[in-house]
Amino acid sequence: GQNIDQPTEMTATEGAIVQINCTYQTSGFNGLFWYQQHAGEAPTFLSYNVLDGLEEKGRFSSFLSRSKGYSYLLLKELQMKDSASYLCAVRGEGRDDKIIFGKGTRLHILP
Amino acid sequence: KAGVTQTPRYLIKTRGQQVTLSCSPISGHRSVSWYQQTPGQGLQFLFEYFSETQRNKGNFPGRFSGRQFSNSRSEMNVSTLELGDSALYLCASSLEGTSGIADTQYFGPGTRLTVL
Repeated sequence: GQNIDQPTEMTATEGAIVQINCTYQTSGFNGLFWYQQHAGEAPTFLSYNVLDGLEEKGRFSSFLSRSKGYSYLLLKELQMKDSASYLCAVRGEGRDDKIIFGKGTRLHILP
Repeated sequence: KAGVTQTPRYLIKTRGQQVTLSCSPISGHRSVSWYQQTPGQGLQFLFEYFSETQRNKGNFPGRFSGRQFSNSRSEMNVSTLELGDSALYLCASSLEGTSGIADTQYFGPGTRLTVL
């Protein structure tokens, strides 16, 4: 079945760069998503990867290696408002044709 | 364009009761998915609907059911509530529940269910 692993918590300093890793196992592959969720709020979409490589969007970038079942989210020039949980999600194929989420990485930003 | 709406926002029930939650997707979106979110388990997939058909379901007991209407609005029902059903229930809609960027899900604010 499908499985997604990501670190539970990370801490970084304002202005720095942080990389949040995600590894997944799924039958087939139909895309990987990253979401941001602030405490008490719903998740919001950050990025989408379906081909190997890096997708850049402002301060946020996401990388995918399908052969390794691996992705990372890179956050640059960290700001206090980036303190949130970051969720990795994958859609597989066949019986795994559904979007499932990892448990999320809670990122703490220190001043 | 209005976002995903969910009603009610908060609900308190007692064990053994049943509950129905409602979700209205973004206009034009045809796929609706439901998730249960708890602090220990994160977001767990319940089911996904597309054009009134259930495309897939997660590993939840049969007490959890759902449906989608012709206008893409969706409801989920939980019967014989248990204490462990206390959670935030999130609904997400997307243009097409297949693959590609159109598979991007947009979440509603959720329904906070408390079972006493």
